[in-house]
Amino acid sequence: GGIITQTPKFLIGQEGQKLTLKCQQNFNHDTMYWYRQDSGKGLRLIYYSITENDLQKGDLSEGYDASREKKSSFSLTVTSAQKNEMAVFLCASSDRDRGHEQYFGPGTRLTVL
Amino acid sequence: QQNVQQSPESLIVPEGARTSLNCTFSDSASQYFWWYRQHSGKAPKALMSIFSNGEKEEGRFTIHLNKASLHFSLHIRDSQPSDSALYLCAVSNTGGLSGKLTFGEGTQVTVIS
Repeated sequence: GGIITQTPKFLIGQEGQKLTLKCQQNFNHDTMYWYRQDSGKGLRLIYYSITENDLQKGDLSEGYDASREKKSSFSLTVTSAQKNEMAVFLCASSDRDRGHEQYFGPGTRLTVL
Repeated sequence: QQNVQQSPESLIVPEGARTSLNCTFSDSASQYFWWYRQHSGKAPKALMSIFSNGEKEEGRFTIHLNKASLHFSLHIRDSQPSDSALYLCAVSNTGGLSGKLTFGEGTQVTVIS
């Protein structure tokens, strides 16, 4: 088995601030994803990466940057935090050999003051 | 762009009843169809998947897929209070290298005893 770790668990920032969320996985999966989940709603894809140093935009990439410097880690930066993007940010990873079943981390809850 | 819709938005069912959840998608080239379950405050977890037309059963859970109708569904037999969760359907049409999924907005299921 494996695990996905997200840090921090809670992130509080000021409006306009640049904020970074981190994700680590030890599944040795090639593909990693960042999603945003507004309260009780579905998941919207922000960025994904199919290998180290690869980045692909999702439907919600505006206002975010991402970085995949190692196979095991994937970071997401909120470039200028806004009050309307308070949500839970979920990281996931998957592997082609397992039909790309996505395994999720516990999430980072973002609050913007 | 893929559009995935779920119905109903929420559902309250008595313990022991059958629960039926629906998902429609817009891209007829879609290849992989998933149901994820998310208990309150937890990470989403893959429940079942189907890749070809027809039906697949795993324990109390059954998926039906009809690609011509752009529709798939999840049925839960003998619903239990532990089945209370947000159910998310997801569709992929990339296959291969990327497991990129488009998620629906979710159906909140509450099983009452």
